[in-house]
Amino acid sequence: DQQVKQNSPSLSVQEGRISILNCDYTNSMFDYFLWYKKYPAEGPTFLISISSIKDKNEDGRFTVFLNKSAKHLSLHIVPSQPGDSAVYFCAASDIYNQGGKLIFGQGTELSVKP
Amino acid sequence: SAVISQKPSRDICQRGTSLTIQCQVDSQVTMMFWYRQQPGQSLTLIATANQGSEATYESGFVIDKFPISRPNLTFSTLTVSNMSPEDSSIYLCSVEESNRGISGANVLTFGAGSRLTVL
Repeated sequence: DQQVKQNSPSLSVQEGRISILNCDYTNSMFDYFLWYKKYPAEGPTFLISISSIKDKNEDGRFTVFLNKSAKHLSLHIVPSQPGDSAVYFCAASDIYNQGGKLIFGQGTELSVKP
Repeated sequence: SAVISQKPSRDICQRGTSLTIQCQVDSQVTMMFWYRQQPGQSLTLIATANQGSEATYESGFVIDKFPISRPNLTFSTLTVSNMSPEDSSIYLCSVEESNRGISGANVLTFGAGSRLTVL
């Protein structure tokens, strides 16, 4: 049972344009959502997070939007840069498992072309 | 944030053998977490390693297959026992860092991972 799903395995975007990465979830007990970025041969690195009581969180070029009714979140990167090319993972934690257990999606590989 | 070193970074192993992965953190942490990423799949928590007590395993993972040691607050090992090709994965060590995200969201920092290929 995949509780966190990223249905697009890959996304290609032109430099300077907006990248939108999507994530759907099924568990209504999730209370925090996080995005991680992963370069080849490196571990995932934390990018941005959002609480389930919010609908938007912004950090520089990165904005995460949460639609609780649709159980959907998205990561917007504006403007996209070639260095943003990586695999992006959506992750969630629930109120009973905040101690290090994150449920990850399968990842979306973003390619930003110059 | 914490710096996590893992060894080996990659290895090719024969079926039926065992391999131990080491994880070193540059600061003392109460809990360390071992994740697995099978090819094309999401990251999945294997177990939580607490210093001074038995590791806590997630559903689908057992101590006989993935024994874990936690001798001190900066070090842990994960052994993958009696390996089969299905164990070919990236194994990642992580620690929790309070409040790197928004208040209440504890963020995990990961090591670079150990990529195991089992022939």
